Amino acid sequence: ETGVTQTPRHLVMGMTNKKSLKCEQHLGHNAMYWYKQSAKKPLELMFVYNFKEQTENNSVPSRFSPECPNSSHLFLHLHTLQPEDSALYLCASSQLDSGYEQYFGPGTRLTVT
Amino acid sequence: GIQVEQSPPDLILQEGANSTLRCNFSDSVNNLQWFHQNPWGQLINLFYIPSGTKQNGRLSATTVATERYSLLYISSSQTTDSGVYFCAVDMIYNQGGKLIFGQGTELSVKP
Repeated sequence: ETGVTQTPRHLVMGMTNKKSLKCEQHLGHNAMYWYKQSAKKPLELMFVYNFKEQTENNSVPSRFSPECPNSSHLFLHLHTLQPEDSALYLCASSQLDSGYEQYFGPGTRLTVT
Repeated sequence: GIQVEQSPPDLILQEGANSTLRCNFSDSVNNLQWFHQNPWGQLINLFYIPSGTKQNGRLSATTVATERYSLLYISSSQTTDSGVYFCAVDMIYNQGGKLIFGQGTELSVKP
């Protein structure tokens, strides 16, 4: 695997389900990010992890819970979501001491029914 | 708050035409990136260009940091260039990593 990978690519879940999105970066970076892109809108930053420590929570509801066990893996745990949470969720990574250029995974398209 | 404005919002081109996309931002930046989002949602890195000029094949970009704008040039457009082009910036007073995205320019190249 190269770059940034995300699984699953598509997910349909009910409002009472619990699911997790997974992101893995193979670039040796030390920062990872979750973004949300709703239909016809630009990306919105959700969470930032620098050196495995969460440094940003952009007023995200508690039904979204991030986890970063090491600098290569990032999870987004989902529970009791709402239909308006349906969106494309994108993960990114960067190297903080080398210009901050971010590289994105292919995304998980989430539908909440 | 931080403003990132892209123009035009939509653009239709005939194959072979040239185009210029613009990104204005409201504060000093330590990161500016241009992305192409394909129909499947994948964001493809085009340029990392907080200042200066870069070229990559038919694409080039220029950022004038002192005047707070960046331009993306597409020459001899092809149908595969269709998609949404995003500009994203990270303000200089951040510790890094907080990309703010513009609204995007949706480009359609007709054969």
